[in-house]
Order: sequence, then C-alpha cells, then structure tokens
Amino acid sequence: KAGVTQTPRYLIKTRGQQVTLSCSPISGHRSVSWYQQTPGQGLQFLFEYFSETQRNKGNFPGRFSGRQFSNSRSEMNVSTLELGDSALYLCASSPRSSRDTEAFFGQGTRLTVV
Amino acid sequence: AQSVAQPEDQVNVAEGNPLTVKCTYSVSGNPYLFWYVQYPNRGLQFLLKYITGDNLVKGSYGFEAEFNKSQTSFHLKKPSALVSDSALYFCAVRDIGGTYKYIFGTGTRLKVLA
Repeated sequence: KAGVTQTPRYLIKTRGQQVTLSCSPISGHRSVSWYQQTPGQGLQFLFEYFSETQRNKGNFPGRFSGRQFSNSRSEMNVSTLELGDSALYLCASSPRSSRDTEAFFGQGTRLTVV
Repeated sequence: AQSVAQPEDQVNVAEGNPLTVKCTYSVSGNPYLFWYVQYPNRGLQFLLKYITGDNLVKGSYGFEAEFNKSQTSFHLKKPSALVSDSALYFCAVRDIGGTYKYIFGTGTRLKVLA
C-alpha cells in the first residue's frame, strides 16, 4: 500500500510569492491534516480536512489556506510568503477523523523563502 | 489545555544498553498518547499508541512505552539500543473537543553510540 505522498519535496520561493503544496493520502483515508515544523516552534497544527470539509484550523494567519478534493487529495496554499514561512510542511492522513486513530505522515515539503 | 512535555533535548546511550525517552502529559479526561520517530529529512513514522487497556504498549522496531496514570507519564523504552535508532522522537497527545489534532512535545534527539 502506497504511503502519503507529498509534492514537491523541496521548494525555494521569494518573499511575496505564493506557493501550493500537494498531498495524496493513503488510499481509503479520508482525513488529511497539515503541520508546520520549524526549529523554533516545533510541530504546529495548520488544519484538518475530512470529506472535503475543513474541520479545524490552527492559529495561523489567513495567508495559509487549504482544500481537499473528492478523491481526498489535499492542497495547501501560502500567499504573500514571508521569511518566517520557511519550514518543513508535513501532511498526515488517517482513515477517519477520531482520537484513537494514528495518522500516517508524508516525507514533507521543505519550503525555503529567500 | 492539553500538553505534553519532553524534558530532555537529547539522550545519549551506548549501543546494546536499554534506552528511555521521557514524556509527561497534561490532559483533561482520558489521554490518547502517541510516539513518533523522525529520521533526517523525513516525515514522522508512527511507533505506538496508548488508548486504553494494558499500561505497557508494544510498538514497531522493538519499542515499547509504559503508561503511568499517577505520574502522568508515557515513557518510550527499548531493551537494547541500536545505532540505527538514532533519530528525533516525538511524544504527542490527541486534542479533545472535536479537533483531534496532535499536540506534540518538543522532541528528544536520541544518539546511540557504537
């Protein structure tokens, strides 16, 4: 069974640009979550999608947005990039949205903003 | 608010010796606890979880964790460390209130010395 696939793996963008990251969950998984990982802030929750609906959003500015498609694939978008947005962005999928279910993470997209 | 703490930034252990990576939690109600491992430039890999039942949970790669309700701890253990176990380990708790997001500890870097 294929794992969670994130594309691209690496990305370099300039301040002010926007970027779109993609995540394909494990087949059959309907819940997709996004996390930002930085050395200073650690792992921070961005948002979760389930059946194309955003269930929850973390404490990030409106420049961070996402969506989920009918095939459960998800994208996140960051507009007007800032240097502080440089991070590893991780996508995680679960078969359902519940507390007792473990999430499976992709390898991440390393975003560098210059 | 839910939280987890990993009091050690780094743990060094000799190959073949037992290892322990510490985690304490603060939650309302029953805790749903998880351990993940991250290798360089990779995503997080699920190791094990505690939902209910036996206090000793067995997981992947020979790891186990002991849930202690009175000490609010969930320490990760392995009887005999391997050099290949060297990585960054994260303890996490699932949030409550319908979000189900992970709240991660700050991570502990494990270094196994040959």
